[in-house]
Amino acid sequence: QKEVEQDPGPLSVPEGAIVSLNCTYSNSAFQYFMWYRQYSRKGPELLMYTYSSGNKEDGRFTAQVDKSSKYISLFIRDSQPSDSATYLCASPNSWGKLQFGAGTQVVVTP
Amino acid sequence: DADVTQTPRNRITKTGKRIMLECSQTKGHDRMYWYRQDPGLGLRLIYYSFDVKDINKGEISDGYSVSRQAQAKFSLSLESAIPNQTALYFCATSDVGPGLAGISTDTQYFGPGTRLTVL
Repeated sequence: QKEVEQDPGPLSVPEGAIVSLNCTYSNSAFQYFMWYRQYSRKGPELLMYTYSSGNKEDGRFTAQVDKSSKYISLFIRDSQPSDSATYLCASPNSWGKLQFGAGTQVVVTP
Repeated sequence: DADVTQTPRNRITKTGKRIMLECSQTKGHDRMYWYRQDPGLGLRLIYYSFDVKDINKGEISDGYSVSRQAQAKFSLSLESAIPNQTALYFCATSDVGPGLAGISTDTQYFGPGTRLTVL
C-alpha cells in the first residue's frame, strides 16, 4: 500500500469554478505536506507546502491539512485554463524521502 | 537556461541494450535524485546522492545503476534494458530545508524528464 493515495482523475471543471483536490496518507508521523504541479511534458514544480494542520493560502490556492483524518486538500479558486496540469501531493517520510501520490490530472475548460 | 537539464529528452531502444540518461544542474545543490514516473503509480525513487561520494538505493533500484561524476552531474544507467523500464524518468536536485523535528523539508527541483521506450 502506498503511503500517499490520490485519485488520478481526470478532473474536468469549467473556467471560474473551484477545483478541489484530495489526498490521504497512512503514516501518522507525516508532518510536512507539499503540492507539486506538473504541466504536460515538464517536470513537477513545488506549488505550496504546509505544516501540520490547518489552512495555508497563496493567492488563488489554499492547502489544507486534517491530521485527525490523515487528509490533505488543495483548492484552486477562480480556476483558469492555465491551471490545467497534474497536481501531486507529497510528504517526506521519517527517512527524509518524499512519498508522492499518483497525481490528479486537472482540465479547466474555457 | 534551465537549472536542471536532462539528456536525451526522448529515447527509443531495444531490449538488452545499455542506456545512459544524464542530468546536469546549475543550482549548486549537493543532493540529486533519479525518479521514474508511471501512470497511476506516481513518482518512485530509483537512486539518490547527497554528495559526490554518497550513493544510495531508492525503492526501485533493481536493474539500474548511477554515477555521480561531479556535484553538478548525476547519470542513470540501465545495464540491460527491458520493456517494463519504459517510463518517464526525472532527475531532481534539492537544497537542504530547515527541517522540522528531524523531518527533511527539502524542496526538490525537477528536470524536464526523459521519455524512455524499451521495445
